[in-house]
Amino acid sequence: DGGITQSPKYLFRKEGQNVTLSCEQNLNHDAMYWYRQDPGQGLRLIYYSQIVNDFQKGDIAEGYSVSREKKESFPLTVTSAQKNPTAFYLCASSIVASGYNEQFFGPGTRLTVL
Amino acid sequence: GDSVTQMEGPVTLSEEAFLTINCTYTATGYPSLFWYVQYPGEGLQLLLKATKADDKGSNKGFEATYRKETTSFHLEKGSVQVSDSAVYFCALSDRTPDTGNQFYFGTGTSLTVIP
Repeated sequence: DGGITQSPKYLFRKEGQNVTLSCEQNLNHDAMYWYRQDPGQGLRLIYYSQIVNDFQKGDIAEGYSVSREKKESFPLTVTSAQKNPTAFYLCASSIVASGYNEQFFGPGTRLTVL
Repeated sequence: GDSVTQMEGPVTLSEEAFLTINCTYTATGYPSLFWYVQYPGEGLQLLLKATKADDKGSNKGFEATYRKETTSFHLEKGSVQVSDSAVYFCALSDRTPDTGNQFYFGTGTSLTVIP
């Protein structure tokens, strides 16, 4: 089955540690996205990538970093510079070339800072 | 710039009641419009979509019509069930020469259906 996988589902981090969230897709989509969702809130865009080896900052990129070395993979690193990282993180992907297509979402990773 | 505004929640309805969740948008181009649903602890799932004016998207008893004249895409269901309890997000996809595909989400509307 095609889809997006995120791992782990739950992640605990001590303050001052960097942590990397995995996102993999086998949909052959060009674009991938990372969002942050806080309780009772909407989605906020962290980073996105429309092609391998290229990515752009979203609205709240500070304290986060990404890489896009392969089309299928778009890992997100939450660095110690992120002051309040406890949140639900969602990865998504979409087709770019034909435009106007929906985003497909993974199941999410819940990060808790202890 | 583009944006999506949707009805504030939370919304609480009795089973079999009629549901409307309002969504309006602002766009510079000719966007596609979407409704997503999020169940607790899960990612977003596409519920329905419409890609041009006057299109009606429908799925699982939910409907929404792309109204260009009122820049709206309101979600409706004639008879809600307890299993429809979730958060609903209105979204649009627009494409510009400078930025490529861009997605914009509303803030979400929480729906609780009571038996």
